[in-house]
Amino acid sequence: GAGVSQSPSNKVTEKGKDVELRCDPISGHTALYWYRQSLGQGLEFLIYFQGNSAPDKSGLPSDRFSAERTGGSVSTLTIQRTQQEDSAVYLCASSPILAGGSRETQYFGPGTRLLVL
Amino acid sequence: AQSVTQLGSHVSVSEGALVLLRCNYSSSVPPYLFWYVQYPNQGLQLLLKYTSAATLVKGINGFEAEFKKSETSFHLTKPSAHMSDAAEYFCAVSDRGSSNTGKLIFGQGTTLQVKP
Repeated sequence: GAGVSQSPSNKVTEKGKDVELRCDPISGHTALYWYRQSLGQGLEFLIYFQGNSAPDKSGLPSDRFSAERTGGSVSTLTIQRTQQEDSAVYLCASSPILAGGSRETQYFGPGTRLLVL
Repeated sequence: AQSVTQLGSHVSVSEGALVLLRCNYSSSVPPYLFWYVQYPNQGLQLLLKYTSAATLVKGINGFEAEFKKSETSFHLTKPSAHMSDAAEYFCAVSDRGSSNTGKLIFGQGTTLQVKP
């Protein structure tokens, strides 16, 4: 079956512009995560969605960052008024929920490389 | 709080030599532990995971790791390195409770170089 897909694969934008990054998780996976990979900070958790529950936004670095997940499937990460420090690879992952409610393996997409000029 | 420390940001081995990538974790609850590999310009691929079954875990491409609670370690090994193993490797920890998010906390990564 298809894996996690992300689009665009690359995005170049000017400082101050808004960008939207899309993630299409593996079908049937109810848990969805966004991570950011940057040279200075390594891999950081951003946000987590699980079904209809309120998302865990504890990793979002500022209020310029937001995300939504429509219909329990596709997710969009939006960065408003982009700054140069937002340049990074944004990775999406999805995970099934196992019996008992635990989550195990996260499957990652190829990422979106964002460059803010 | 959970954390992961990978000792050595860069490891270089000769083809055919033993690969040892070190990972130590800190967790106040029994953890899940993972090793992921990232090839250039690609996403993360799961190598193996520890989820409280056998402490010696075998993964893909001949890699294995041993969970040692007393040492809070989860080192990754491979008996004989291959050129295709050159990549960046990430150790990660997550909590196993169903009431938690399962978010991954990653180490800083180790770049493995394999010399011919």
